[in-house]
Amino acid sequence: KNQVEQSPQSLIILEGKNCTLQCNYTVSPFSNLRWYKQDTGRGPVSLTIMTFSENTKSNGRYTATLDADTKQSSLHITASQLSDSASYICVVSASGYGGSQGNLIFGKGTKLSVKP
Amino acid sequence: EAQVTQNPRYLITVTGKKLTVTCSQNMNHEYMSWYRQDPGLGLRQIYYSMNVEVTDKGDVPEGYKVSRKEKRNFPLILESPSPNQTSLYFCASSRTGFYTDTQYFGPGTRLTVL
Repeated sequence: KNQVEQSPQSLIILEGKNCTLQCNYTVSPFSNLRWYKQDTGRGPVSLTIMTFSENTKSNGRYTATLDADTKQSSLHITASQLSDSASYICVVSASGYGGSQGNLIFGKGTKLSVKP
Repeated sequence: EAQVTQNPRYLITVTGKKLTVTCSQNMNHEYMSWYRQDPGLGLRQIYYSMNVEVTDKGDVPEGYKVSRKEKRNFPLILESPSPNQTSLYFCASSRTGFYTDTQYFGPGTRLTVL
């Protein structure tokens, strides 16, 4: 069964500190992995999207890594800011078979709180 | 500004009263999708559309209808809403396939069915 597991469920850090969020998946056949940031009450916003051949991708202070062998990804946030407080959602895309559409498998997210 | 818009943003209604949530994108995207988000369950796809007049079911289509008569619009219709459809709804669009390309999400519609 295709699944995406994120850890931790929630995390509190002090402003200026770094943190790393984890995503483990069992999805086949793998197409790509995305990280989204979702502010409370708003729609998710894409941070990164990585295919099988990419093992790291950055977007400002956000750096995502992908290990396709172990089926793990991490999102590292550097020098956190209060505005980083949000839920971070890992989404893995599975390719479709025989012309059928692929599928997106969503993790439940990690809720990050950055305190002053 | 490139965006996905949804209306209304908040809606409280009663069981059985038909309602429509509108979604519009100005990016000329081919693909559009509807999701619902519930605490502890994450985002789940309701329906998606690959182009005008082409729609298909997602993971949780029961109780919902959609239509795609124009490329930019993808309304979600609840013919007879029930309390278990109380949720936060998101529309999303992508230039090509939703599973290959980045999705852009709307701001969400919080629906309460009494």
